Order: sequence, then C-alpha cells, then structure tokens
Amino acid sequence: KQEVTQIPAALSVPEGENLVLNCSFTDSAIYNLQWFRQDPGKGLTSLLLIQSSQREQTSGRLNASLDKSSGRSTLYIAASQPGDSATYLCAVTTSGTYKYIFGTGTRLKVLA
Amino acid sequence: DTAVSQTPKYLVTQMGNDKSIKCEQNLGHDTMYWYKQDSKKFLKIMFSYNNKELIINETVPNRFSPKSPDKAHLNLHINSLELGDSAVYFCASSQTENTEAFFGQGTRLTVV
Repeated sequence: KQEVTQIPAALSVPEGENLVLNCSFTDSAIYNLQWFRQDPGKGLTSLLLIQSSQREQTSGRLNASLDKSSGRSTLYIAASQPGDSATYLCAVTTSGTYKYIFGTGTRLKVLA
Repeated sequence: DTAVSQTPKYLVTQMGNDKSIKCEQNLGHDTMYWYKQDSKKFLKIMFSYNNKELIINETVPNRFSPKSPDKAHLNLHINSLELGDSAVYFCASSQTENTEAFFGQGTRLTVV
C-alpha cells in the first residue's frame, strides 16, 4: 500500500532564503509525482508534474526533483517570498489506479 | 474562465438532510475525481470516473452517490448527512489517468 510522507510538517523561514521541501513514498512503482500548493481556504494549485522517466522539472523559482529508486522527491524554492506562504502537497499516482495519493503536506511561512 | 468549478462553495445543513455538490470541468478531460479533505487537512480519494464510468469507489459509505451525466460533469449526492461528513470536498479532473490533475476550489460542508 502506497504511503506518502512529507517532512517537515511546518517550516518558517525569513524572506530571501532558499528552501527544500521533502516528499517520500513507500512504493517506487509510481507513474507521476505532482506538487501542489494550497492557500488557506482555497483549492489546490498545480505547481509541477514529474513523470517517472524524468529526474526534474523547473518552473520559475521552483525546481522539483525525483529519485524513484529511493522513493523521494524534493521541491526547491529559490529566493523565497512572503507570497510563497502556503501548504505544499505532493501526490503520486501509479499506473492503472486512477487516483493520486497525497502526502501529509508542509505548511510554509515566509516571514517578511 | 475557471477550469474546474464546484458549487456551492459553502454548505451548512442539519443532520439527516440530503445534499448535492456539483462539479464541472471545461478542460475536455476524460477522468474526474472526488476527494475529501478532513479536519487535519489530509486529502483522500473517494471516487474516480473515466468517460462517465465509475472506476474507483474507495470504501465510501453508500450514502454518497456520485453521478456523471457526461464527461464534463461529476456531481456528488449525499443522503442522511452525519456530523462526521463535515469536511472540504474537492472535485478534480485529468486528461486521463496518471496525467496532471486540476482541482476545483472545494466545497466546505458543515453538518450541524
């Protein structure tokens, strides 16, 4: 049974810092891994999707990497800003399952 | 133009009532989902539909009945609401299984 864990659960950093959020999954036979952000009281916004054949994806200040064999993904946020404050969620999908299994989330606060 | 839209955004109702949540996607996707986010913010799959056909029913009580009149719509009807049904319900869609998922803004259901 696939389980997804995110560490740390919460993180506070001063503005301008580079930071890394971690996501680990127990079954390495994933098809895709997707990173989302969720603002309080809002829906989920897709940030990056990494296919199992890829090692990383980049979008602006965000870079996500994937190491399938070790069951890990990291989301790197460069030069953090207060507007980056949100909960970040990773989710994995396995071929034929028609579902994304979500991690526990990391609550990020970037202090001005 | 909103890609995945849910109505209503908030729903407050008494125990024992029946209620429905509507979801529509304008992305031309084949696959749609319902997720439940509990009080600890953990997201869990409830149902998956592909081309209007039910693929996954993740041990959801049969008081919950999804209906997909066409590929663009997946509605959720809940009978005999219980206090424990209070949560945020998210609708999502993806082109096919294992592709990028897009989420609606969520429906906060409060049962009193």
